[in-house]
Amino acid sequence: GNSVTQMEGPVTLSEEAFLTINCTYTATGYPSLFWYVQYPGEGLQLLLKATKADDKGSNKGFEATYRKETTSFHLEKGSVQVSDSAVYFCALTLNYGGSQGNLIFGKGTKLSVKP
Amino acid sequence: GAGVSQSPSNKVTEKGKDVELRCDPISGHTALYWYRQSLGQGLEFLIYFQGNSAPDKSGLPSDRFSAERTGGSVSTLTIQRTQQEDSAVYLCASSPTRGTGDNSPLHFGNGTRLTVT
Repeated sequence: GNSVTQMEGPVTLSEEAFLTINCTYTATGYPSLFWYVQYPGEGLQLLLKATKADDKGSNKGFEATYRKETTSFHLEKGSVQVSDSAVYFCALTLNYGGSQGNLIFGKGTKLSVKP
Repeated sequence: GAGVSQSPSNKVTEKGKDVELRCDPISGHTALYWYRQSLGQGLEFLIYFQGNSAPDKSGLPSDRFSAERTGGSVSTLTIQRTQQEDSAVYLCASSPTRGTGDNSPLHFGNGTRLTVT
């Protein structure tokens, strides 16, 4: 079946540290890949996306590259800030006829950044 | 503009009672989704509405769960005879089109936290 696996948290980093949150997927067809972020007390919001192999999604200093050969979409940021503290969800949706846009999510990774 | 609105934000109910959760999507969004977020789990797809088409109910965990969307706008998720394992955050999302393509990301509400005692 289709699924998303992401590294378990919580992840605790100091400000300005390098961040990687691993995400791998299993999917039939050709998925689009997403990272959503949930800040404390807020709803989920799209952080970045990539719709085909080798695409790189980027936003707010975060990046993720769609790697079909390793079925991965790891999230990276070179220098995290306290304001990046949130829960990050990797997700996929399938892009073939009949797709209804259901997002399949990973379990989420909580990131805490200390000053 | 206004985002996706869900009510109530918190609901505590006794086991065996019925509950109704409400979602007001962004005006003009034709697609509406319900997800469930349990502690330590990812987001579990429940049901999807797109315009006037028959909803995709494939994610509903049991026949105690049902949802409707009146007039293509507001949606209500109903859980009958609640059980403790129903405790979770129920999230609603809307999208202007049926897919999650380049121009139609999902917009999520803040969720309803349901606690069944």
